[in-house]
Amino acid sequence: AQKVTQAQTEISVVEKEDVTLDCVYETRDTTYYLFWYKQPPSGELVFLIRRNSFDEQNEISGRYSWNFQKSTSSFNFTITASQVVDSAVYFCALSEGETSGSRLTFGEGTQLTVNP
Amino acid sequence: EAQVTQNPRYLITVTGKKLTVTCSQNMNHEYMSWYRQDPGLGLRQIYYSMNVEVTDKGDVPEGYKVSRKEKRNFPLILESPSPNQTSLYFCASKLAAGMYEQFFGPGTRLTVL
Repeated sequence: AQKVTQAQTEISVVEKEDVTLDCVYETRDTTYYLFWYKQPPSGELVFLIRRNSFDEQNEISGRYSWNFQKSTSSFNFTITASQVVDSAVYFCALSEGETSGSRLTFGEGTQLTVNP
Repeated sequence: EAQVTQNPRYLITVTGKKLTVTCSQNMNHEYMSWYRQDPGLGLRQIYYSMNVEVTDKGDVPEGYKVSRKEKRNFPLILESPSPNQTSLYFCASKLAAGMYEQFFGPGTRLTVL
């Protein structure tokens, strides 16, 4: 069965600090997909990134970057020079390709608070 | 505008009173699903549908029903709600099963007294 663990329940930083959110996953499939979603205080879920298991290249999008390492089953998310608007709950999620109904298995979420 | 809509957004009800949360998408997506979000547990899938008239259980289906009579609609039915179904519910859709991005609705906050 697939599982996602986000060990950091809450993180608090001061604006302009860099912060890394950890995500560790478990799956038996060789084909799977990893996602990060952001949930701001308003409650909606905002898609940030999708990664497939065959693409281990790290990705950077503005202040956001993702480090995918199959060897350690991790898909960590770093925010550089954090801002107050980054305050949100961040979810890591896993989908095992075509199996399991393609359901997204979510981690518990990490509450990030960026203080001015 | 491409979107997933849910109604109602907020609902307070009492134990045992049947309710339906509607979900509709305008993107002609085949795949739709329902999740519930609870503190410390993340989101868990309740039911999903691969296409019209095709539905299946997710991780936490007990106490819920769904139907998919039309491609755009995927209502969630609670025949006899109980307090442990107090939660934040999200409907989602994507083009088809597989690696596609899921689009989420705005969420429905349900309280069962």
